[in-house]
Amino acid sequence: LAKTTQPISMDSYEGQEVNITCSHNNIATNDYITWYQQFPSQGPRFIIQGYKTKVTNEVASLFIPADRKSSTLSLPRVSLSDTAVYYCLVGDIKRDDKIIFGKGTRLHILP
Amino acid sequence: NAGVTQTPKFQVLKTGQSMTLQCAQDMNHNSMYWYRQDPGMGLRLIYYSASEGTTDKGEVPNGYNVSRLNKREFSLRLESAAPSQTSVYFCASSEETGIYGYTFGSGTRLTVV
Repeated sequence: LAKTTQPISMDSYEGQEVNITCSHNNIATNDYITWYQQFPSQGPRFIIQGYKTKVTNEVASLFIPADRKSSTLSLPRVSLSDTAVYYCLVGDIKRDDKIIFGKGTRLHILP
Repeated sequence: NAGVTQTPKFQVLKTGQSMTLQCAQDMNHNSMYWYRQDPGMGLRLIYYSASEGTTDKGEVPNGYNVSRLNKREFSLRLESAAPSQTSVYFCASSEETGIYGYTFGSGTRLTVV
């Protein structure tokens, strides 16, 4: 299972674009990269998933360089309600039954 | 449109007591999971069930048992609760093992005194 490293915490301001980077140097060929968001007292919520290059949905974008050893979750024009913990997960989504959540990045949006 | 439903939401147990946490999903998902979350620790996988009739251990299975009762329901049992099992427990499901991401329940906050 690929280990991930992401910042423990980040602060940003409303209206800014926020980029959270995750390192996964030993990512395997069949591994996908998935990001989750967790608000206090709630279960994590799936945000976005990708394998390479760029993926975009209505919530976020995910940038994955060619070597796939890192990935960046981009949140456009954040608001106070984006304050949450963001988890980067790496695993073979078609095989791994034990995808591991790390400690995540605690994002704090300031007014 | 319930998704993943967990009961109870809160529970206080005395050391040595037993209890079962219930989880049900209405999305026809094949895979179901139990995680625990301790302050500052992220989520740790306790047990999972890749399909009806199968279960397997995760990272921290000691002190727990599970039952995949049918496709919808996956229960977690604490036979003899210990203070170290004080945590927030989350159930999750996915269409297949991890594909398209997991859907989580709202959690059960368990305190063992």
